[in-house]
Amino acid sequence: ETGVTQSPTHLIKTRGQQVTLRCSSQSGHNTVSWYQQALGQGPQFIFQYYREEENGRGNFPPRFSGLQFPNYSSELNVNALELDDSALYLCASSLADSSFYGYTFGSGTRLTVV
Amino acid sequence: AQRVTQPEKLLSVFKGAPVELKCNYSYSGSPELFWYVQYSRQRLQLLLRHISRESIKGFTADLNKGETSFHLKKPFAQEEDSAMYYCALRSSGYSTLTFGKGTMLLVSP
Repeated sequence: ETGVTQSPTHLIKTRGQQVTLRCSSQSGHNTVSWYQQALGQGPQFIFQYYREEENGRGNFPPRFSGLQFPNYSSELNVNALELDDSALYLCASSLADSSFYGYTFGSGTRLTVV
Repeated sequence: AQRVTQPEKLLSVFKGAPVELKCNYSYSGSPELFWYVQYSRQRLQLLLRHISRESIKGFTADLNKGETSFHLKKPFAQEEDSAMYYCALRSSGYSTLTFGKGTMLLVSP
């Protein structure tokens, strides 16, 4: 299947809980990045994985963690959820080479923390 | 630190009017600039990137390093251009993007 798919599409969690969001990368892409998009804001970089290792991180606390699997699918885990974590979480895949052609984005997971 | 500024939250024009969506950036190195677009109920998608020097759907954007700008332009807006537009900057050597807050373009008939 081509394109980036994310699951679930919507999620409601209680403050203090933990959540796992999932992403299946576009076929042939070996790099996955996660972004947080709060209401009225542009996407903000959380972290990036390449060959199953984190190789870049934005200004997010350690309770945001991730995994990338050999098939290039990925997870974003958030522990000890806070109300401000309510946002759209975007997964984006790309091909890591000398020419960056931009991301292919998923539709996102809308997380609401109550 | 790098930053992307899109000064307008909303730009409203009539069909057939020219459009310019502003984007300014701050970055000390050699930047790569992109425009992404999000149509209603669709995912974020790449519109164009400056190194390609291409025109997509009638849109063009020129990187002006002197003014640190990468404004998106179209001579004649169409109703189907109504969407959210994001300007983004890539730091040299990395494949992560810094996005602006976006500008909503509304094209009225």
